[in-house]
Amino acid sequence: KNQVEQSPQSLIILEGKNCTLQCNYTVSPFSNLRWYKQDTGRGPVSLTIMTFSENTKSNGRYTATLDADTKQSSLHITASQLSDSASYICVVSAGSWGKLQFGAGTQVVVTP
Amino acid sequence: NAGVTQTPKFQVLKTGQSMTLQCAQDMNHNSMYWYRQDPGMGLRLIYYSASEGTTDKGEVPNGYNVSRLNKREFSLRLESAAPSQTSVYFCASSDGQLHYGYTFGSGTRLTVV
Repeated sequence: KNQVEQSPQSLIILEGKNCTLQCNYTVSPFSNLRWYKQDTGRGPVSLTIMTFSENTKSNGRYTATLDADTKQSSLHITASQLSDSASYICVVSAGSWGKLQFGAGTQVVVTP
Repeated sequence: NAGVTQTPKFQVLKTGQSMTLQCAQDMNHNSMYWYRQDPGMGLRLIYYSASEGTTDKGEVPNGYNVSRLNKREFSLRLESAAPSQTSVYFCASSDGQLHYGYTFGSGTRLTVV
């Protein structure tokens, strides 16, 4: 069973609207949680990184939240743009020299 | 531009053929990684190299070998390709065990027929 579960699997939103992506994890011990954006045919690019003590982190129109007690994270996209169409991947790092655990991603399509 | 460079970008192999995927980084990172990405699944670690001169198996190492040629270069070899190895392969590098500056290459799309 994947230790990092993302929902929804995919979503379609209108340009200019907001959306929120969810990530639940069971990875332990927790070190940090990252959100990556992966454009079609490209490698993942880091959006945010949060450690145990951080509960929110922003990068432009992207805001990530973390609740380490419930092992949940969300990524909020504000005022979506066509360029936000991509797969968004939640990644959790466990402990010292913890190998990264990747979620399967949420495919976001922004339509005009 | 600084980053991780992978070659080739695309490759088609026949079952049983061998090939090597090349990866180089210019960020002076100690650690390098090879992943595969399959539809509906998260990236899975094939092999990693924590530092120059060391390599270790990841989650799905069977059918692959790696070489950490120097600090910059980390190659992945398929000795006898199988259709199950059809996938997109990503190389990544980072600055040590806390994975600072974790950076991915643009990927190699491999099809084994």
